[in-house]
Amino acid sequence: SAVISQKPSRDICQRGTSLTIQCQVDSQVTMMFWYRQQPGQSLTLIATANQGSEATYESGFVIDKFPISRPNLTFSTLTVSNMSPEDSSIYLCSVEPFSSRAEAFFGQGTRLTVV
Amino acid sequence: AQSVTQLGSHVSVSEGALVLLRCNYSSSVPPYLFWYVQYPNQGLQLLLKYTSAATLVKGINGFEAEFKKSETSFHLTKPSAHMSDAAEYFCAVSAGFYSGGGADGLTFGKGTHLIIQP
Repeated sequence: SAVISQKPSRDICQRGTSLTIQCQVDSQVTMMFWYRQQPGQSLTLIATANQGSEATYESGFVIDKFPISRPNLTFSTLTVSNMSPEDSSIYLCSVEPFSSRAEAFFGQGTRLTVV
Repeated sequence: AQSVTQLGSHVSVSEGALVLLRCNYSSSVPPYLFWYVQYPNQGLQLLLKYTSAATLVKGINGFEAEFKKSETSFHLTKPSAHMSDAAEYFCAVSAGFYSGGGADGLTFGKGTHLIIQP
């Protein structure tokens, strides 16, 4: 298994500002994933972060809006840039540990409200 | 590409009754299938997963699901509902292990809100 710590757990931000969300894992993982869950909706994959390479973004998500860093095998950050109220969502980090193939673990999420 | 359809955004059952949450998938390769549960204001917890072994998969909290290739389904069941089962349930599919060896992220259904009536 894997224990994932996400920070902050929640935040209220002004439109036009940026927020960086941190994801720390207690074991080394190859792939880290970032998802968005809009209010009352399902989860949508934003991007896949592989250590040592550029993140791969899904359709509808761009690096300028959601820059991602992956400096090592246990840590990643997602920045939500130039925020608008439409960015109000829960952002979740997910990992797949080497020891638990085909099993994704999720952090508790960051609940973001943009006002 | 893959997709997931969950029939019924809300399902209501009486305590002690059978729980049946429906999930149909579409995948161009043999899929890995998952059911996750999300309690209010919490993250996602894996209930069970299908990874091409036994077609009947048993998970935590008394849940199980059966993979039916001919029906492209992976319905979640529990014989007797408990009040603590009230939550949001998500079906998800992944095909990443067949596209190069690494995970490819999950495609989620829209979720089913399970309501348990006393």
